[in-house]
Amino acid sequence: NAGVMQNPRHLVRRRGQEARLRCSPMKGHSHVYWYRQLPEEGLKFMVYLQKENIIDESGMPKERFSAEFPKEGPSILRIQQVVRGDSAAYFCASSLTGSGTTETQYFGPGTRLLVL
Amino acid sequence: AQSVAQPEDQVNVAEGNPLTVKCTYSVSGNPYLFWYVQYPNRGLQFLLKYITGDNLVKGSYGFEAEFNKSQTSFHLKKPSALVSDSALYFCAAVPSGGYNKLIFGAGTRLAVHP
Repeated sequence: NAGVMQNPRHLVRRRGQEARLRCSPMKGHSHVYWYRQLPEEGLKFMVYLQKENIIDESGMPKERFSAEFPKEGPSILRIQQVVRGDSAAYFCASSLTGSGTTETQYFGPGTRLLVL
Repeated sequence: AQSVAQPEDQVNVAEGNPLTVKCTYSVSGNPYLFWYVQYPNRGLQFLLKYITGDNLVKGSYGFEAEFNKSQTSFHLKKPSALVSDSALYFCAAVPSGGYNKLIFGAGTRLAVHP
């Protein structure tokens, strides 16, 4: 009964490199959400995806950030040309459905990105 | 702007005493409200949620929360705290009528002392 899986758990990148964060939702879940947690702050919504579709990306920075959730495989959050301000914990959550707003989101353990 | 506020950065409680972690919200419509707990270097664990109905919601690990519409509050409570309850607690809201996009408070660190 695996929960939401994220890897890697820790990622170190130098400025200018690319970071790829992966998220496998809970079994049977087809809705994925990405959140970012800066140090000493709460989580901030980034993007909401269903299989092969981006539903809401209103929280994503306009440049360097992209997300996908392909038909097969995990959801990927990609950060190009990372800067020190990208250092944060990135959490993925999944839900069974996305209809309405009562569905509980279940969170993964997060990926802690450190940009040197 | 829609927001969730947790006015206390930290709450200190002696083991066995009741605890309250406060949350207020400023969200459109009739929001859906959630509490999550985060242990060090772990993800968030769902505790409970309020959708509609009874204002007192019971959740995991003996926690409960009381929804108060007039005060726009959703405080988390537990009658008798355990040392193992020490963690970071997040209140979150989803505005009604929108996508399932959680708006989080900044978090409250609960420290339960033996």
